[in-house]
Amino acid sequence: AQSVTQLGSHVSVSEGALVLLRCNYSSSVPPYLFWYVQYPNQGLQLLLKYTSAATLVKGINGFEAEFKKSETSFHLTKPSAHMSDAAEYFCAVSVGSSNTGKLIFGQGTTLQVKP
Amino acid sequence: DAGITQSPRHKVTETGTPVTLRCHQTENHRYMYWYRQDPGHGLRLIHYSYGVKDTDKGEVSDGYSVSRSKTEDFLLTLESATSSQTSVYFCAISDYLRGGLAGGGTDTQYFGPGTRLTVL
Repeated sequence: AQSVTQLGSHVSVSEGALVLLRCNYSSSVPPYLFWYVQYPNQGLQLLLKYTSAATLVKGINGFEAEFKKSETSFHLTKPSAHMSDAAEYFCAVSVGSSNTGKLIFGQGTTLQVKP
Repeated sequence: DAGITQSPRHKVTETGTPVTLRCHQTENHRYMYWYRQDPGHGLRLIHYSYGVKDTDKGEVSDGYSVSRSKTEDFLLTLESATSSQTSVYFCAISDYLRGGLAGGGTDTQYFGPGTRLTVL
């Protein structure tokens, strides 16, 4: 069965520092993987997705993620944090084999950006 | 932004009362989903629909029912609300089959703004 684990429920960085949010997945089939961002009192917005085309995926707002099959990881990075990046981030894996488009989400990581 | 609206956006109700939340889309997407979001749990799937009158259970479906009589509307009903159903509810839509597994819109879900439900 597919599952997602996000390491660290809270991450704090200084403005301008590297952002690294960790996501590990478990899947019995080649996965589709997603990162979503949620700003306070809003719905989720897609940051980027991996669908087996390229292992390094670039998303919006300067974020990118690298799919590493050997490590079953899909960590999200951004070279330089901005105050506007403060939000909650969710990693998700698609239950692709069931042909329903269902996603399984991690528990979420809250990113705090300090001035 | 995908055209998804949820109503109401906020609701306070009492234990034992029925509650219906509505999700409306203008994208003509086939798939629709209801999630609940709770601290420490991320988003958990309640029910989903893969077409008009075609629905199935998610991982936390107990105490909830759904209906989809039109492509654009997906209703979530709490037959008798309990305090454990206090949560933020999100609707999502997907054009999963439109792009196929090769790419495009595959598996991307687009989310509504959410409904905050409080059961006293």
